[in-house]
Amino acid sequence: NAGVTQTPKFQVLKTGQSMTLQCAQDMNHNSMYWYRQDPGMGLRLIYYSASEGTTDKGEVPNGYNVSRLNKREFSLRLESAAPSQTSVYFCASSRGIGDLRAEAFFGQGTRLTVV
Amino acid sequence: AQTVTQSQPEMSVQEAETVTLSCTYDTSESDYYLFWYKQPPSRQMILVIRQEAYKQQNATENRFSVNFQKAAKSFSLKISDSQLGDAAMYFCAYRSSGTYKYIFGTGTRLKVLA
Repeated sequence: NAGVTQTPKFQVLKTGQSMTLQCAQDMNHNSMYWYRQDPGMGLRLIYYSASEGTTDKGEVPNGYNVSRLNKREFSLRLESAAPSQTSVYFCASSRGIGDLRAEAFFGQGTRLTVV
Repeated sequence: AQTVTQSQPEMSVQEAETVTLSCTYDTSESDYYLFWYKQPPSRQMILVIRQEAYKQQNATENRFSVNFQKAAKSFSLKISDSQLGDAAMYFCAYRSSGTYKYIFGTGTRLKVLA
């Protein structure tokens, strides 16, 4: 059981380049998330998708776009990368509201460096 | 807006000793969930323990237990018989039962001394 799979694990971009981070989950979860992790700031929510067909902004959405391609896949796109977007990015999924266990499951993270 | 605060950026514990990591949160909701996640050097986020706010009994998972004080909005993690493998970053997280978003604290880095 793979859980949440993110690709790539590492990436170096030049300022202004674009890229898409891919995420897929095989747990039939309804909700998916993108977080970024920066030293001393914990995990901050970029975008989330409560269910297939919906996406909403989180705490730090500027400079990012997302696509919920289907129930399994949720991608994060950087249209014009900036050094401030250097971070570790996590994709996560959960069953959604009404799930008594309620926890989120995480991918292994993508370390992105923008030079 | 809900917030989660971890006031201890770093802590150390001797192997086999007990350590407590602190977490406080702010919410006006009455029904919510609290979590502790562990992030070892591999970067993988691993759920350590979960607490439902409607449950008065503190959650326990083997050597890990919580002290949940709902009125004080406090949710501390106690690690007993600390092991070298417990060395990691620990994040406290909150989710209201009626929303989708998980809110994380800034983390506490735990060092385990041999």
